[in-house]
Amino acid sequence: QMQLVESGGGVVQPGGSLRLSCAASGFTFSTYGIHWVRQAPGKGLEWVALISYDGSNKYYADSVKGRFTISRDNSKNTLHLQMNSLRAEDTAVYYCARRAFCSGCSDSYYYYMDLWGKGTTVTVSS
Amino acid sequence: QLVLTQSPSASASLGASVKLTCTLSSGHSGYAIAWHQQQPDRGPRYLMKLNSDGSHSKGDGIPDRFSGSSSGTERYLTISSLQSEDEADYYCQTWGTAIVLFGGGTRLTVL
Repeated sequence: QMQLVESGGGVVQPGGSLRLSCAASGFTFSTYGIHWVRQAPGKGLEWVALISYDGSNKYYADSVKGRFTISRDNSKNTLHLQMNSLRAEDTAVYYCARRAFCSGCSDSYYYYMDLWGKGTTVTVSS
Repeated sequence: QLVLTQSPSASASLGASVKLTCTLSSGHSGYAIAWHQQQPDRGPRYLMKLNSDGSHSKGDGIPDRFSGSSSGTERYLTISSLQSEDEADYYCQTWGTAIVLFGGGTRLTVL
């Protein structure tokens, strides 16, 4: 059964840091790009970041660029999101989502998500 | 500028059909989209990829009750034989080089 399971969420003060993880199983993790998408309370979905299948290319939303770092460990089927200098507006449920396989596509062709995790909640508050 | 527009809400009766709409901004009629379902207090679930010609490919385990169609800049999700578990938020999503966009979502109420 293919699945993605996020962890690492919690409550952090403004300016603090948090590291989210996403554990993949049931598919060949090393052949897929993975997105992070977030959802603020009562709001819609917002794309955050994308990492290519081999970790060589990383892309970020302007709202998190320079503060968040996406990374992956294909030997452990795990994805991470290091979040620094957190702000109140980063409060959200964070989802990892698999980028659908796209034959011959550039890593920067973000494509769509075809598998989602259940999410982990990040609250930035003093 | 690429924009996706969805009505905030829709409703239909149990057992009936409903057609949800996602509208691409003018000049973007060639774009494909994906539909995602988010049931209350759950993560999103991929439903289907919908091409501009109306062809679509559904995710694993998505019932035949869910179908997609296209016309110009409009992309549709039709749910037939509505069930209580179809009550959810439905998001359309599109993409390109260095871009991912979500529509604002439609909250479907099953009466």
